Amino acid sequence: GAGVSQSPRYKVAKRGQDVALRCDPISGHVSLFWYQQALGQGPEFLTYFQNEAQLDKSGLPSDRFFAERPEGSVSTLKIQRTQQEDSAVYLCASCTGGLYNEQFFGPGTRLTVL
Amino acid sequence: GESVGLHLPTLSVQEGDNSIINCAYSNSASDYFIWYKQESGKGPQFIIDIRSNMDKRQGQRVTVLLNKTVKHLSLQIAATQPGDSAVYFCAENTGGFKTIFGAGTRLFVKA
Repeated sequence: GAGVSQSPRYKVAKRGQDVALRCDPISGHVSLFWYQQALGQGPEFLTYFQNEAQLDKSGLPSDRFFAERPEGSVSTLKIQRTQQEDSAVYLCASCTGGLYNEQFFGPGTRLTVL
Repeated sequence: GESVGLHLPTLSVQEGDNSIINCAYSNSASDYFIWYKQESGKGPQFIIDIRSNMDKRQGQRVTVLLNKTVKHLSLQIAATQPGDSAVYFCAENTGGFKTIFGAGTRLFVKA
């Protein structure tokens, strides 16, 4: 079956522009995660959804970052007024739920802010 | 703050040899640990996990060892193959859904 998909795969934005990154999780997966991965670093947790509820957003670096999952399936990560330090790969992962279940990752969106 | 780190940033092994990738964690409250493999241009891929009530778990060609006394985690890959070349991350959970990743070790397999 299809895995987690993300779009666009690459995004170039001018500083100050708003961007929206999309994640399509595996069908039926209750839990959805967003991570930020800087070059040469491990992924860093941004936020977590259980169905449409955002249960943890402690990793969002500033109020310029906003995530939503209105119908409990597709999720969008929005970054307003992008800054150069926002340049990174943004990864989405989903799992069936529960604390000890395998997370399936998408390929990521590479964001470059000029 | 709490973090998961790795001793070696790069590891080069000969094809057919065994590989050992090490990881130190600092949060004694962590109760679930995962190893991920990430190839270039792809997202991390689950390899194997272990809960804190265990000290060893084996999969296909991989073994994870957990030493809670010294807060150390290792991944052993048997008969390393060129397809094993990637960056490997250890990660930990403290009972919630927030996963903390280490910085990663790049494994090179020489043919």
